[in-house]
Amino acid sequence: AQSVTQLGSHVSVSEGALVLLRCNYSSSVPPYLFWYVQYPNQGLQLLLKYTSAATLVKGINGFEAEFKKSETSFHLTKPSAHMSDAAEYFCAVSTGFQKLVFGTGTRLLVSP
Amino acid sequence: NAGVTQTPKFQVLKTGQSMTLQCAQDMNHNSMYWYRQDPGMGLRLIYYSASEGTTDKGEVPNGYNVSRLNKREFSLRLESAAPSQTSVYFCASSEALLEQGRNTEAFFGQGTRLTVV
Repeated sequence: AQSVTQLGSHVSVSEGALVLLRCNYSSSVPPYLFWYVQYPNQGLQLLLKYTSAATLVKGINGFEAEFKKSETSFHLTKPSAHMSDAAEYFCAVSTGFQKLVFGTGTRLLVSP
Repeated sequence: NAGVTQTPKFQVLKTGQSMTLQCAQDMNHNSMYWYRQDPGMGLRLIYYSASEGTTDKGEVPNGYNVSRLNKREFSLRLESAAPSQTSVYFCASSEALLEQGRNTEAFFGQGTRLTVV
């Protein structure tokens, strides 16, 4: 069965610092992988997706993620955090038609 | 282009009451989903519908029923609400990529915040 593990329920960074949010997946077949962002009291918005075309994926708002099959990872990074990046981030995996499976989320806190 | 629309946005129910959460998408997607979001638990799948006319249980289906009314609409019903069903409910839809054998990304509604007292 497919699953996703997000390490760290909270990550704190200073404005301008590197953002690294970790995601590891488990899948018996090549996965499609996604990162979503959720701002307070809103729905989930797609940041980026991996669909096997390229291992380094660029998304919106300066975020990117690298698919590493050997490590079964899809970590999300941003070189320089901005106050507006403070939100909750979810990694998700899809391997078939049936459903998307989400991780438990990582709340990113950005301090001035 | 509205995307995924959920109604209502907020609801307070008394224990034992019933209600239906409505969801509609205008993107002609085959697959639709209902998730609940609780603090520290991420999004958990309640039910999904891979195509019009089919529904299947997800991770936490107990206490819920669903109806895929047509390709656009997918409703979630609580027959007898319990305090444990206090949560934020999200509807989502995605497109089936038939040649790739999977769905692409899901598009989410704004959520329904439900409180059961």
